[in-house]
Amino acid sequence: GAVVSQHPSRVICKSGTSVKIECRSLDFQATTMFWYRQFPKQSLMLMATSNEGSKATYEQGVEKDKFLINHASLTLSTLTVTSAHPEDSSFYICSARVTAGGRHEQFFGPGTRLTVL
Amino acid sequence: GEDVEQSLFLSVREGDSSVINCTYTDSSSTYLYWYKQEPGAGLQLLTYIFSNMDMKQDQRLTVLLNKKDKHLSLRIADTQTGDSAIYFCAESIGNYGQNFVFGPGTRLSVLP
Repeated sequence: GAVVSQHPSRVICKSGTSVKIECRSLDFQATTMFWYRQFPKQSLMLMATSNEGSKATYEQGVEKDKFLINHASLTLSTLTVTSAHPEDSSFYICSARVTAGGRHEQFFGPGTRLTVL
Repeated sequence: GEDVEQSLFLSVREGDSSVINCTYTDSSSTYLYWYKQEPGAGLQLLTYIFSNMDMKQDQRLTVLLNKKDKHLSLRIADTQTGDSAIYFCAESIGNYGQNFVFGPGTRLSVLP
């Protein structure tokens, strides 16, 4: 199957700093990528849909100025958590969508664990 | 709106079969998926079923779909300790099935 990578896998930062997380599709091109957030022992929460070459579409309740998304190429989307605070600590997972034979599939990255002190 | 529900916990003994259940509300779902998440890791696609199918079998995995009741199940035969993980049910929705809605996940514990 298709491979999606995320970098970094773990990051610890001080409150007030900004953190950038990269999501890459390694062996395919993805016009659409998704960013999810997962709280401990909870399900995935879709934050935003990232479309290559255009602005991201944010889900209700997600601050677009807080979580900046850039999808500059067909293989890379970035999520920047600006002025991070402890409540932003979470597991962030990206996925890339592939469409084949009329079926959509999402391939997930391994996730990035963010800890804000 | 769309909603996907699952029981949160399941414990089975090694060698037994596990059955994880899921219900969904959107009758226009095109595909339904099962994902596995091991501790500290991302999601791994296990299997999927097209909405006009009743059953799909893939080695130890059997997926049953009751579209009338909007009920999906995943059966794992001969469950092993390596199967311990969180299992997420997901449906694809939207005009082209392009968006996914995930259930809360079922934490499967396999006891020796």
